[in-house]
Amino acid sequence: NAGVTQTPKFQVLKTGQSMTLQCAQDMNHNSMYWYRQDPGMGLRLIYYSASEGTTDKGEVPNGYNVSRLNKREFSLRLESAAPSQTSVYFCASSEDRAYGELFFGEGSRLTVL
Amino acid sequence: KQEVTQIPAALSVPEGENLVLNCSFTDSAIYNLQWFRQDPGKGLTSLLLIQSSQREQTSGRLNASLDKSSGRSTLYIAASQPGDSATYLCAVNNNAGNMLTFGGGTRLMVKP
Repeated sequence: NAGVTQTPKFQVLKTGQSMTLQCAQDMNHNSMYWYRQDPGMGLRLIYYSASEGTTDKGEVPNGYNVSRLNKREFSLRLESAAPSQTSVYFCASSEDRAYGELFFGEGSRLTVL
Repeated sequence: KQEVTQIPAALSVPEGENLVLNCSFTDSAIYNLQWFRQDPGKGLTSLLLIQSSQREQTSGRLNASLDKSSGRSTLYIAASQPGDSATYLCAVNNNAGNMLTFGGGTRLMVKP
């Protein structure tokens, strides 16, 4: 079972470059999420998609955009990367936003120079 | 705003010991609470999910309890093993919001 798959696993960018993190889940889940994890800050929600066709901002959305491409896929885009966006990014999914168990991908480690 | 605290931040125990990890939260209006395990450089693995109407959940050597009124949850690990060494995170799903609020985690080391 693949579960939640993220690509790429590692990426180094220069300030101002753009990139897209891809996420796909094979569990037929309705809700998908993007988190970032930073030392001392814990995990913080960037954006989420409660169902196909909807997206909403989380706690730290500035500098990011998302696309819920279909029920399986949810991408996170950095239009103009900044050093403050150096982090580990996690995609997650759940069957139901309110009651569902959350399943995480392995993470994407991004460094912005 | 919901705040989630985990104490202790780090814990080292000898193999075979039973242990308790603590999680406290400030807003008791929650949908559910979830415990995760995270190994270094890896993603989070779901361990147990407790709905707001439940008191506890068990999976193997793990038992999680929830006391909404006092804003507390505990994760009990029986007969700890070196393979249990990891960071354990609790996360609360609020009624008022749409996001999980995570605690800072407890880094557990079980020594052989």
